[in-house]
Amino acid sequence: GDSVTQMEGPVTLSEEAFLTINCTYTATGYPSLFWYVQYPGEGLQLLLKATKADDKGSNKGFEATYRKETTSFHLEKGSVQVSDSAVYFCALNNAGNMLTFGGGTRLMVKP
Amino acid sequence: ETGVTQTPRHLVMGMTNKKSLKCEQHLGHNAMYWYKQSAKKPLELMFVYSLEERVENNSVPSRFSPECPNSSHLFLHLHTLQPEDSALYLCASSQEASGSSSYNEQFFGPGTRLTVL
Repeated sequence: GDSVTQMEGPVTLSEEAFLTINCTYTATGYPSLFWYVQYPGEGLQLLLKATKADDKGSNKGFEATYRKETTSFHLEKGSVQVSDSAVYFCALNNAGNMLTFGGGTRLMVKP
Repeated sequence: ETGVTQTPRHLVMGMTNKKSLKCEQHLGHNAMYWYKQSAKKPLELMFVYSLEERVENNSVPSRFSPECPNSSHLFLHLHTLQPEDSALYLCASSQEASGSSSYNEQFFGPGTRLTVL
């Protein structure tokens, strides 16, 4: 079946550092890929998405590129802020409205 | 504020208790979901309701019983739970297009933190 693998956290960075959170997937066909973010005490929010190979999703300074050749969708941000501290989930959708999530990566940004 | 509310936000119950979790969406969506979020485990989809009919049940134990009385409300009835059922239970909703296989964004509530003693 489909699966998503993320780097384990926590990832601890200083403010203004460069962020990469790795995500790879296994799926048949041509899934859509997503990054969700969960701030403390809240539910998940869609951060960005990409629906086909070589698409780049972007939002709030975050970017991720759909790489079919490496089955990856790594999340990047050039300069993180304390307010970016949260748990980030990579996910895929292969049919209908069902999502398959990765295990989540906690990001902690220190001032 | 995502338009999906959940009550209670925190719940502590014994293994012999019966309780219910409530979810309400104010977005006019026609599909609702229950997820379980446990520490160090991927998010698990438990149940899906589309147009008030259950369309997905991912091998969830019968001690969890969902109910969807209308498109805006979703309940999860709990009875004789086990300590390993302690987790964050998340509700989500989305708008599904009839006959469409495309993905529509799911909007999540803040969750109910459940502790089973």
